[in-house]
Amino acid sequence: GNSVTQMEGPVTLSEEAFLTINCTYTATGYPSLFWYVQYPGEGLQLLLKATKADDKGSNKGFEATYRKETTSFHLEKGSVQVSDSAVYFCAFSSWGKLQFGAGTQVVVTP
Amino acid sequence: EAGVTQFPSHSVIEKGQTVTLRCDPISGHDNLYWYRRVMGKEIKFLLHFVKESKQDESGMPNNRFLAERTGGTYSTLKVQPAELEDSGVYFCASSRAQGSHEQYFGPGTRLTVT
Repeated sequence: GNSVTQMEGPVTLSEEAFLTINCTYTATGYPSLFWYVQYPGEGLQLLLKATKADDKGSNKGFEATYRKETTSFHLEKGSVQVSDSAVYFCAFSSWGKLQFGAGTQVVVTP
Repeated sequence: EAGVTQFPSHSVIEKGQTVTLRCDPISGHDNLYWYRRVMGKEIKFLLHFVKESKQDESGMPNNRFLAERTGGTYSTLKVQPAELEDSGVYFCASSRAQGSHEQYFGPGTRLTVT
């Protein structure tokens, strides 16, 4: 069945380090792909999205590329800041509803 | 434009009691979704309203859960009677349209059943 697998956390990094969060999905067809972020004490916010193969979504220095051949949508940022500490969720859209991964907590230390 | 709001932010109840969660979507958003995250696991879909109609309720865990959206505005999710495994964070989201359109999420209601 449909599923999203993302790397387990917590991921602890120093400021200015490179961040990668792996995400792979199992779905029928070619769904739209998303990364959502939840900052402490806040709700989920859309970070970026990609709607078709080879599309690259980007926002706030984060990037992810829709890889159809590997069914992946890995999230990357070249230089993280303390303010990037949050839980990151990979998701895809299936018939209007979102299918999420378990979330990856990222902790960035000064 | 006001975002999606949820009430209460946190609820602690005993097993067997009833709890009602409320969600106010963004004005003009016909689509309203409920999701739940249990014990740090993935966020799971519960159901989807289009205006006042239930479009998809395939994620509702059992008949102890009842969702309504009278008048197509705010929605309530009632759990009766609550069980321990119902503890988690309940998120509401709304969108103007389905498909790849962004869903805007509320801050969630943390439900603790003791």
